[in-house]
Amino acid sequence: ETGVTQSPTHLIKTRGQQVTLRCSSQSGHNTVSWYQQALGQGPQFIFQYYREEENGRGNFPPRFSGLQFPNYSSELNVNALELDDSALYLCASSPRFSGTDTQYFGPGTRLTVL
Amino acid sequence: QQQVKQSPQSLIVQKGGISIINCAYENTAFDYFPWYQQFPGKGPALLIAIRPDVSEKKEGRFTISFNKSAKQFSLHIMDSQPGDSATYFCAASSGGGADGLTFGKGTHLIIQP
Repeated sequence: ETGVTQSPTHLIKTRGQQVTLRCSSQSGHNTVSWYQQALGQGPQFIFQYYREEENGRGNFPPRFSGLQFPNYSSELNVNALELDDSALYLCASSPRFSGTDTQYFGPGTRLTVL
Repeated sequence: QQQVKQSPQSLIVQKGGISIINCAYENTAFDYFPWYQQFPGKGPALLIAIRPDVSEKKEGRFTISFNKSAKQFSLHIMDSQPGDSATYFCAASSGGGADGLTFGKGTHLIIQP
């Protein structure tokens, strides 16, 4: 069984640019959630996708957007990057509808904004 | 507003000892309480989780104790080993979790040989 995978591993962007991060959910999981983890902090919930629609959202501005594809993989897009967007971005998948209860995290993408 | 408060921020325990990490929550709608372990450069890994209908859950050396009336829960690591050295996060969610997991700020645990 393949776990959650994310790409790229690391990414460096400059302020104002746009970035797309990718996530492949664990086999059999149909719900994907994205989190932002700043250095030395716990992860913060960005949003969750189920059946290709946003199912819930945390306190993040609209420049954070996402997609889920029919194979349950997902993308996180961030527009107009700011310095404070530098963080580890984590994707987590869940095995059932609204199944955030049991979430399995990927290794993350380290984004640095200069 | 921090909805899940975790303590201590850092903890040093001798090998073979018991590591105890505590969390308190404010939102009474929370009904799922997992603990995650994170090593540097890695994503969080689910260790153990509990729901409010039980007061304790044990899996191997890891035990969650849950006090619903006090809105507190804790992780106990028995016979702590150097390989347990990591950052531990408590978390909580409600209603099937469409609002995501709310995490504590983490505890950096060091097990001294």
